[in-house]
Amino acid sequence: NAGVMQNPRHLVRRRGQEARLRCSPMKGHSHVYWYRQLPEEGLKFMVYLQKENIIDESGMPKERFSAEFPKEGPSILRIQQVVRGDSAAYFCASSRRENADNEQFFGPGTRLTVL
Amino acid sequence: AQSVSQHNHHVILSEAASLELGCNYSYGGTVNLFWYVQYPGQHLQLLLKYFSGDPLVKGIKGFEAEFIKSKFSFNLRKPSVQWSDTAEYFCAFYTGRRALTFGSGTRLQVQP
Repeated sequence: NAGVMQNPRHLVRRRGQEARLRCSPMKGHSHVYWYRQLPEEGLKFMVYLQKENIIDESGMPKERFSAEFPKEGPSILRIQQVVRGDSAAYFCASSRRENADNEQFFGPGTRLTVL
Repeated sequence: AQSVSQHNHHVILSEAASLELGCNYSYGGTVNLFWYVQYPGQHLQLLLKYFSGDPLVKGIKGFEAEFIKSKFSFNLRKPSVQWSDTAEYFCAFYTGRRALTFGSGTRLQVQP
């Protein structure tokens, strides 16, 4: 049973370019969460999605960041016009249902470096 | 605002030493508490969790944690660490508002 998959594992972008991060949840999981980990900090919640719906994006920066989880295919976190401050590790997690009884399983993360 | 404090950012121990990592949370309501571990180059894995009942929770690999409600604490312990325990440890809690709130992590280095 494959775990949460994220790709790419490492992504390098120049300032002003776009970054697309992909997350495939575990089989049978319809809830996806994106977290960002800045250097020397813990993971910070960004957005929570179910298939075709954004449920909670309270942790997402208001500009340049967007997320989707289409009916088919992986969840995508998109960062437009990246800046150096976007350099971080971005983790995706999935769960079967939305509550603490359903453990969130984490992917290996995508490390974004903005030059 | 809800938050998690992990007091030790970097801990260095020799093998067979005992471990205790501190975790305090700030939230007025009911919480579910977790410890996650991230081994070098790997993704986060659940170490143990507390929902209710016995406040002393046992997890994988000999780890345990004690929930002390009056102190808002959920400290992680292991009687005797091994070199393979070298990793980063994150305390987190869930309040029913959809996402986990994480502490900043404690980097544990175990010297052989």
